Amino acid sequence: QSALTQPPSASATPGQRVTISCSGSSSNIGSNFVYWYQQLPGSAPKLLIYTNDQRPSGVPDRFSGSKSGTSASVTISGLRSEDEADYYCVAWDDSVSAFVFGTGTKVAVL
Amino acid sequence: QVQLQESGPGLVKPSETLSLICTVSGYFISSGYFWGWIRQPPGKGLEWIGTIYHSGNTYYNPSLKSRLTMSVDTSKNQFSLRLSSVTAADTAVYYCAKFGRSVTDGTFDIWGQGTVVGVSS
Repeated sequence: QSALTQPPSASATPGQRVTISCSGSSSNIGSNFVYWYQQLPGSAPKLLIYTNDQRPSGVPDRFSGSKSGTSASVTISGLRSEDEADYYCVAWDDSVSAFVFGTGTKVAVL
Repeated sequence: QVQLQESGPGLVKPSETLSLICTVSGYFISSGYFWGWIRQPPGKGLEWIGTIYHSGNTYYNPSLKSRLTMSVDTSKNQFSLRLSSVTAADTAVYYCAKFGRSVTDGTFDIWGQGTVVGVSS
């Protein structure tokens, strides 16, 4: 099954806004929820956004998620140094009955 | 709080079977939720391996299905993974995680620390 498409990298200075896109198809993002994970260097991934736009308790409100059609995105407003990490989207794909992850985006704080 | 811990050999020979166990503490597997495995090859992205429910129902990644077996032992509050005929491409960090309330729920909210498995002779 094909992975969801994310830009390989994104960067901004502290305090700025960064948006990471996740592009899929009608069988995954187009018909199912999108979830986002943050993976700090050397650590296990951490749930960042669930069901398109919901934040788990403990996730700062500078992280927000959205979905439109077959694409989704996560925005970090007020970027901080501790946000340097890899970010992955994931969604269930009805055509292959499997979870498909995004290709991952490395966020750098300049 | 809920915690997950992977255990198993760190090195497996090519063509042999990779076996891992995930031990859950702080929550009874039989109480609900789905559970599963996700892996990450060195320097690469995440890949869903499979999902299991306490009833024993399993859902596998189609690309691994022919080599994969997952099982659950509610008496030990553990679930396990067996991947046969491994090759170097199966070298990865293997994570177990608490999944969501349905098969398609991608809320993987609790993760183990991960265990490194290398495939080499």
